[in-house]
Amino acid sequence: DTAVSQTPKYLVTQMGNDKSIKCEQNLGHDTMYWYKQDSKKFLKIMFSYNNKELIINETVPNRFSPKSPDKAHLNLHINSLELGDSAVYFCASSQVRLRETQYFGPGTRLLVL
Amino acid sequence: RKEVEQDPGPFNVPEGATVAFNCTYSNSASQSFFWYRQDCRKEPKLLMSVYSSGNEDGRFTAQLNRASQYISLLIRDSKLSDSATYLCVVNTGRRALTFGSGTRLQVQP
Repeated sequence: DTAVSQTPKYLVTQMGNDKSIKCEQNLGHDTMYWYKQDSKKFLKIMFSYNNKELIINETVPNRFSPKSPDKAHLNLHINSLELGDSAVYFCASSQVRLRETQYFGPGTRLLVL
Repeated sequence: RKEVEQDPGPFNVPEGATVAFNCTYSNSASQSFFWYRQDCRKEPKLLMSVYSSGNEDGRFTAQLNRASQYISLLIRDSKLSDSATYLCVVNTGRRALTFGSGTRLQVQP
């Protein structure tokens, strides 16, 4: 009965490859997010979707493409992986209201060699 | 200037000590404020929301000063299990959270 789940937990791949990370939430939330946590442990928002619609798209290379097939899922596809993409990627979800709490998935540790 | 600034620490304190963390934020339009906790190699988890009137949850007390754009977290009677990184978090109304870089706490026996 995990609230926010991500797969895979670990991803080791070569430069230039294309990979996807999947995220699912069973909380009935209408907003989902992708965050990146780099080696300095700094968490930064990448994308946010509300009811399958993109509402936040920070300055992220267009090699990163989020896809939301429905409210409960937000996947992240990364093309032409680079060394600098190595990080921990967290998915999160929330319900839109004045003071919304975000619930995070366990993270996907991506290492690009 | 970073949107949310915290002292990275580490704060090394003995069990039973009281420790305080501070945080400043730059966007005066920020609407809601939180402290999250992140254990090593785990996801961030909400510790508590921060209200203008100040609020307490057991051994944890959070304060917000909107005029100074300052947030604090006080932990009383520290336990070994409190060892973690504490993230000051601000919502500017864009629905995404802006995180500070975190303050690391190590409680020692």
